Amino acid sequence: DAGITQSPRHKVTETGTPVTLRCHQTENHRYMYWYRQDPGHGLRLIHYSYGVKDTDKGEVSDGYSVSRSKTEDFLLTLESATSSQTSVYFCAISDGGRTYNEQFFGPGTRLTVL
Amino acid sequence: AQKVTQAQTEISVVEKEDVTLDCVYETRDTTYYLFWYKQPPSGELVFLIRRNSFDEQNEISGRYSWNFQKSTSSFNFTITASQVVDSAVYFCALSEPYNFNKFYFGSGTKLNVKP
Repeated sequence: DAGITQSPRHKVTETGTPVTLRCHQTENHRYMYWYRQDPGHGLRLIHYSYGVKDTDKGEVSDGYSVSRSKTEDFLLTLESATSSQTSVYFCAISDGGRTYNEQFFGPGTRLTVL
Repeated sequence: AQKVTQAQTEISVVEKEDVTLDCVYETRDTTYYLFWYKQPPSGELVFLIRRNSFDEQNEISGRYSWNFQKSTSSFNFTITASQVVDSAVYFCALSEPYNFNKFYFGSGTKLNVKP
């Protein structure tokens, strides 16, 4: 299994509070991604990173920010959580095609915003 | 724009039946990859197969087989002699290898295999 961990695994928070989710990898892969999974929508890309301090928006980036100060860590921040951000969040990594280019996924974080 | 459509939201079969999960994609790229992932009830995402746009050979792996047809932009997944352990949500995905390897996922097909 690819070495990807996410923390926390579960979180319940209140509307308006800031939340930070952490993704940590031990594979030294260049690319990292944050997705959210909602019923009927599959996985939708929030933000991605193609190197340290290099990030860009995905298709559902409003209300989210990210940071990557080290190769192994990719943080997703909800500045002021809303109920619409209740979801399961997955982190993924990829080496971008140096071997197989598939994305490997973390175990997910279930976030509930009350 | 890239898009993946899995029109079957949920399928129920009885154990030992064969079942095909459909995947239709749209892309303007000539180089792309297609994937299938499995998400069992435990929630993790498990990689099943990768196929690049230049290889239209069908692939068989045990009870699993995949049919890639560029002419119809489809990449269908068949499970032969289904088992209860096959119950899961299956996602088809399209990647852009030259665009930060971004993935586009379909909405998933939930497969229920009943004993």
